[in-house]
Amino acid sequence: DTEVTQTPKHLVMGMTNKKSLKCEQHMGHRAMYWYKQKAKKPPELMFVYSYEKLSINESVPSRFSPECPNSSLLNLHLHALQPEDSALYLCASSQGTGGRETQYFGPGTRLLVL
Amino acid sequence: GENVEQHPSTLSVQEGDSAVIKCTYSDSASNYFPWYKQELGKRPQLIIDIRSNVGEKKDQRIAVTLNKTAKHFSLHITETQPEDSAVYFCGTGTASKLTFGTGTRLQVTL
Repeated sequence: DTEVTQTPKHLVMGMTNKKSLKCEQHMGHRAMYWYKQKAKKPPELMFVYSYEKLSINESVPSRFSPECPNSSLLNLHLHALQPEDSALYLCASSQGTGGRETQYFGPGTRLLVL
Repeated sequence: GENVEQHPSTLSVQEGDSAVIKCTYSDSASNYFPWYKQELGKRPQLIIDIRSNVGEKKDQRIAVTLNKTAKHFSLHITETQPEDSAVYFCGTGTASKLTFGTGTRLQVTL
């Protein structure tokens, strides 16, 4: 399996809701990433997990809470989001850690916050 | 932190012509330089990458050149086809993370 999968594909939530985004890879990769992508902009790094431990948090607001239950799964828990958080949320994975390994992206979850 | 500039922001070429996209970066510690293609509504997909110990790499119609001294690298697409139309992002990688350029929207017209 050479693919990163993400669920759901689309998500609409209110500002008081709690929801979770899920990401899965079965390539044996040891690093997993969450990116946020606004329209017509590049992906913006949010979090990096290396060997199931959080290694980078790019000063992301606490209403975004990542979790890595095991080496194949990555979750992003959402709570009390703002309309400006509407974006495409991309998960990625790589064999090794850091920025010098090829990153493979999932299809993303398109999030709309009302 | 790393600063990656990408030019041009939009590029329109006729089918069969060549397209060149250039990125400059600031962090001399960067030693991994990927290029991603993102079609509308799709995920970014790696099309080619290069590491700092190599000056040029080619894969069929796609090539990347790297000038570490000047801190710039370029994507070259020859014999462009309509399916090459997409947004292209360059990236620079250090030990800690990958930083993306601002993107180039390539339009290949018939």
